Amino acid sequence: AQSVTQLDSQVPVFEEAPVELRCNYSSSVSVYLFWYVQYPNQGLQLLLKYLSGSTLVKGINGFEAEFNKSQTSFHLRKPSVHISDTAEYFCAVSGYSGGGADGLTFGKGTHLIIQP
Amino acid sequence: SAVISQKPSRDICQRGTSLTIQCQVDSQVTMMFWYRQQPGQSLTLIATANQGSEATYESGFVIDKFPISRPNLTFSTLTVSNMSPEDSSIYLCSGGGTGGVGELFFGEGSRLTVL
Repeated sequence: AQSVTQLDSQVPVFEEAPVELRCNYSSSVSVYLFWYVQYPNQGLQLLLKYLSGSTLVKGINGFEAEFNKSQTSFHLRKPSVHISDTAEYFCAVSGYSGGGADGLTFGKGTHLIIQP
Repeated sequence: SAVISQKPSRDICQRGTSLTIQCQVDSQVTMMFWYRQQPGQSLTLIATANQGSEATYESGFVIDKFPISRPNLTFSTLTVSNMSPEDSSIYLCSGGGTGGVGELFFGEGSRLTVL
């Protein structure tokens, strides 16, 4: 079984400032890691994913995340945020199944609040 | 990618009634899942909808309360039975297997309010 911990329930940031949203996971098997974004009253949209290879992955909207196996972390970063980035961000993990999609385990989410 | 549509998008229901949520995918997907997102909370996996066989439920969820159908690779339904106010939540359908390993696509959710 896997679990995900998002250390911050809410992160206020000024517009154009950098931001890091933290995510730690635990698993007894190899994992795939994801970040999803949920804008108000909308479904979830995939920001980026780590499956294998380079530990630094780039996603949509200028976001990137770094997989750190020794620290079991997958923190999300953006160098300069915009008002439109205000949303709920979910880190998720899937146990390796050798192919195909497994049900994801989600963290509790981090509400990113961009202040003008 | 896959586009997932859910109906209804929202509903207000009376205690003791049941409601069926439909999920339609615009392409065939290997896996389909149903999640619940309670107010201000994260997503909790209810079950995996298996095509042509009984769904696989997560701990804390049972078939009598949340019967699920999946007659083909593009469609699934979730019924919330004998509803109580505690069932007020957003129910999300998701599917995967077409967008790459491990990636799931989500519908916009069905927001249920039980009075």
